[in-house]
Amino acid sequence: GEDVEQSLFLSVREGDSSVINCTYTDSSSTYLYWYKQEPGAGLQLLTYIFSNMDMKQDQRLTVLLNKKDKHLSLRIADTQTGDSAIYFCAEIRRNRDDKIIFGKGTRLHILP
Amino acid sequence: DVKVTQSSRYLVKRTGEKVFLECVQDMDHENMFWYRQDPGLGLRLIYFSYDVKMKEKGDIPEGYSVSREKKERFSLILESASTNQTSMYLCASSPRGRGKTQYFGPGTRLLVL
Repeated sequence: GEDVEQSLFLSVREGDSSVINCTYTDSSSTYLYWYKQEPGAGLQLLTYIFSNMDMKQDQRLTVLLNKKDKHLSLRIADTQTGDSAIYFCAEIRRNRDDKIIFGKGTRLHILP
Repeated sequence: DVKVTQSSRYLVKRTGEKVFLECVQDMDHENMFWYRQDPGLGLRLIYFSYDVKMKEKGDIPEGYSVSREKKERFSLILESASTNQTSMYLCASSPRGRGKTQYFGPGTRLLVL
């Protein structure tokens, strides 16, 4: 299909790891992104990965890319209440120039 | 820091009114975008612009128009607002070139009565 797919909700206990999954559609996508949207705010770029990479780590964030399965994941270690937000997976497709295709977003809920 | 500002955080309008949503970026970006965000539908691209006086339709342009008279400013216009245009509107900008990050404004929540 044409969509970037991700589950709509995820609940995680504070201190545990959160894993947000995404499948994208274009095997020639060159950049894949994770954006975070806190309540009442715009989107903020969290991290991105080039398609020639398998993994990228940045402090508590780990991004894994499986190009064969067109699967992207974001792992947040030691999840905190401040991580409560909507997380958007996004890709740039080769035939769509500078436009980014967004998933519908995963709402991460932190349980005490 | 890149800054993208939107003229209003909240706006209430009546059906049939003409509505202007303004977006300004201060980083000399060539590309600017307007999205709307609705629960369960994610972000949908309305219009975008690659340069001054240039505009391209996105995925849902119906009922909207845009204006880009200056590089830093991109306006979204609802010629005759309707209730189904009640939504969160997000503006973004990016430098020209594949893979360039889009920077978002805080959003305008529009309610059309």
